[in-house]
Amino acid sequence: DGGITQSPKYLFRKEGQNVTLSCEQNLNHDAMYWYRQDPGQGLRLIYYSQIVNDFQKGDIAEGYSVSREKKESFPLTVTSAQKNPTAFYLCASSIDGTTYEQYFGPGTRLTVT
Amino acid sequence: GQQVMQIPQYQHVQEGEDFTTYCNSSTTLSNIQWYKQRPGGHPVFLIQLVKSGEVKKQKRLTFQFGEAKKNSSLHITATQTTDVGTYFCAGRGGGFKTIFGAGTRLFVKA
Repeated sequence: DGGITQSPKYLFRKEGQNVTLSCEQNLNHDAMYWYRQDPGQGLRLIYYSQIVNDFQKGDIAEGYSVSREKKESFPLTVTSAQKNPTAFYLCASSIDGTTYEQYFGPGTRLTVT
Repeated sequence: GQQVMQIPQYQHVQEGEDFTTYCNSSTTLSNIQWYKQRPGGHPVFLIQLVKSGEVKKQKRLTFQFGEAKKNSSLHITATQTTDVGTYFCAGRGGGFKTIFGAGTRLFVKA
């Protein structure tokens, strides 16, 4: 069964701690993305990767880091430098980074107190 | 930079009424995509428009791409409670990034 998985669904952390959100896809897609969604808001791009071992900053990359060591995996680390980390984080993938639609994972809701 | 504006932000309708959301870009788009996000869920791809003036239909949903490829609309005929959710447009300009609009949240009263 192909798709994108994100774990965990809910995550709670104390302020000052780094936390890594998992994103795995078995769709054989080259491109992967991380978005942040705040209540009642649209999707804001954090990082994207067009191919393994390559990634670029999106519009709100400060306080976040990523890696793309494997085609199927694109983990996102929310560092203590992120001022307002509480949000809904969505991972997506597409066949490539040009004309194809994005498939989204179920998301991780991160709460930092 | 490229911006994609979407209106209205919210829309309340009575079941059976029509609904339209509009998307406008500051620059010419190479394509536009529409997604639906149910409450508590994740965005799901609906359709992609590529050609100037293109119109596509999916049952009660009609999607249009403007002649200048800078605007688009989604029209739902005779809304149902299952249409509830947030509808996002997403446009791609000349670069790699797809820019999402802020979305229109649709409420349907039975």
